Amino acid sequence: SQTIHQWPATLVQPVGSPLSLECTVEGTSNPNLYWYRQAAGRGLQLLFYSVGIGQISSEVPQNLSASRPQDRQFILSSKKLLLSDSGFYLCAWSVNGGNTGELFFGEGSRLTVL
Amino acid sequence: SQQGEEDPQALSIQEGENATMNCSYKTSINNLQWYRQNSGRGLVHLILIRSNEREKHSGRLRVTLDTSKKSSSLLITASRAADTASYFCATNYGGSQGNLIFGKGTKLSVKP
Repeated sequence: SQTIHQWPATLVQPVGSPLSLECTVEGTSNPNLYWYRQAAGRGLQLLFYSVGIGQISSEVPQNLSASRPQDRQFILSSKKLLLSDSGFYLCAWSVNGGNTGELFFGEGSRLTVL
Repeated sequence: SQQGEEDPQALSIQEGENATMNCSYKTSINNLQWYRQNSGRGLVHLILIRSNEREKHSGRLRVTLDTSKKSSSLLITASRAADTASYFCATNYGGSQGNLIFGKGTKLSVKP
């Protein structure tokens, strides 16, 4: 069966510090991978998605970047965090080429920037 | 914006009652999905309804889709305290990436 791991679960970072959130998927090959952000009491905002190694599409211009160094690894990064980067970050995967778009989510990473 | 919008934003009911949540969207869709999120956790897929379907059931869940009104509803029957969570609709407008557009969710509280 497929599983998705996301870490760290919680982190508190000062403004201006770097960020690295990691997500890995097991039990499937060539998945589509996604990073979403959820502000408090809000819906999900798609940040990045990837259909293959090294292929990253950005949905929202911002202080963040994403990379996919391996088939089942997706990393969200920032060189210098802003206060507005605080939020709940969710990694997800879907079947590549699947027409339903059903997403499978990780447990999330809560980032607080102080 | 193509984003779906859930209604109501919050709903509080007693155990055993039915809970109905609605979702509206703006353009033609491939399918519509409902997800559940427990506080501080990831989202879990509940049910998917395709654009050519009008109603779908899964256990205590019933989803309807009215493409002419661009709206969907999620009914949870005989609610339980464990159903307390936020519920999101997500619309799939097609494309190989299968990108979903999420609404802001309905926060459901079921009191024992």
